[in-house]
Amino acid sequence: AQSVAQPEDQVNVAEGNPLTVKCTYSVSGNPYLFWYVQYPNRGLQFLLKYITGDNLVKGSYGFEAEFNKSQTSFHLKKPSALVSDSALYFCAVRDTGNQFYFGTGTSLTVIP
Amino acid sequence: DVKVTQSSRYLVKRTGEKVFLECVQDMDHENMFWYRQDPGLGLRLIYFSYDVKMKEKGDIPEGYSVSREKKERFSLILESASTNQTSMYLCASRNPQRGTDTQYFGPGTRLTVL
Repeated sequence: AQSVAQPEDQVNVAEGNPLTVKCTYSVSGNPYLFWYVQYPNRGLQFLLKYITGDNLVKGSYGFEAEFNKSQTSFHLKKPSALVSDSALYFCAVRDTGNQFYFGTGTSLTVIP
Repeated sequence: DVKVTQSSRYLVKRTGEKVFLECVQDMDHENMFWYRQDPGLGLRLIYFSYDVKMKEKGDIPEGYSVSREKKERFSLILESASTNQTSMYLCASRNPQRGTDTQYFGPGTRLTVL
């Protein structure tokens, strides 16, 4: 069965420090992987995706994610966190049947 | 820009009422989805639709039904609302063509069932 795990409910990081939000997946076949961000009282916004090609994917707002096939991971990263990055982050995987599976979300707090 | 709108941001209903949640997208997307979002559970798929008049059950369809009579509109129906259906409901649409794999989400409807 397809699934996504986000092992951390909450991540705190100081402003200006690098941040990582972790995601591991389980999917049959080639994975299609996504990161979304949700600001308070808003819907989800697309950040980036991995379909094929380079393992390092760059997305919106300076975020990037690294696809690691051997570790079945797709961690979200940013070199220097901003207070405005504080939000809820969701990792998702799509299976070959067009259905998406989301993780439980990680709440990121960037401390000024 | 793709725009996905949902008919209400906040909704309060009573147990047993029939509830309609409407979602409209303006980009001619074939696929549309309904999720519910609960703390600690993430997003769970209720129903999705590949195209007009087509629907597929997701992971948690019990207590819900859907309607897609027109391509741009996907409705979620709670036939008899219950308190355990209090949740945030998110609609999404997607163009399944290769290279445009992204789902676009509406702002959500926070439903409270009393």
